[in-house]
Amino acid sequence: QSVLTQPPSVSAAPGQKVTISCSGSSSNIGNNYVSWYQQFPGTAPKLLIYENNKRPSGIPDRFSGSKSGSSATLAITGLQTGDEADYYCGTWDSSLSAWVFGGGTTLTVL
Amino acid sequence: EVQLEESGGGLVQPGGSLRLSCVAFGFTSGDYWMSWVRQAPGKGLEWVAKIKQDGIEKYHVDSVKGRFTISRDNAKNSLYLQMSSLRAEDTAVYFCARDLTSFTSLTGMDVWGQGTTVTVSS
Repeated sequence: QSVLTQPPSVSAAPGQKVTISCSGSSSNIGNNYVSWYQQFPGTAPKLLIYENNKRPSGIPDRFSGSKSGSSATLAITGLQTGDEADYYCGTWDSSLSAWVFGGGTTLTVL
Repeated sequence: EVQLEESGGGLVQPGGSLRLSCVAFGFTSGDYWMSWVRQAPGKGLEWVAKIKQDGIEKYHVDSVKGRFTISRDNAKNSLYLQMSSLRAEDTAVYFCARDLTSFTSLTGMDVWGQGTTVTVSS
């Protein structure tokens, strides 16, 4: 049972927009920065978003992050088949003194 | 090129020990917090441990406290994870990662190694 809750799967058609939610509490998302990661099978995770809504260099602006209260959202626009991957949110939990990840969301581009 | 390279994984019997290493290339690891993250077969990411630049402040996930210890040698640009009393549920790919910070807040992990596989089985 993850501290951060993500939907197990989401799907959308190529070219469309999809959002992935990440729900937490005041001890984690509510008072700390959220980051998002993309992972393809058999490879290391890749940072997509940090500090809630910042993109590392090289990440296209099709990927965006937002945070409201104790929830965060990753939005992907102009979906491509190459976006099919697992996506994870992560943040620091001040009560646990631990970094926590969401359970992960598998994106299918139909 | 900025990269991390893990080593030290392998097959170990339950109750055994293993030491993972992670070497940084292209940057000074001593300037950053560093982390270990693992992923069991078919499962999601699980953070294992973090260590501050000074090597003194460190955190571990509850499931490994008392069994695993994170450490670093900044002179060698290296990060370590000493694992003991290993259990079957510790079987996973172990990644090292570089932490980003904003003032005193941890904000994400931007550089990841390719991972090293630990299998705990008799």
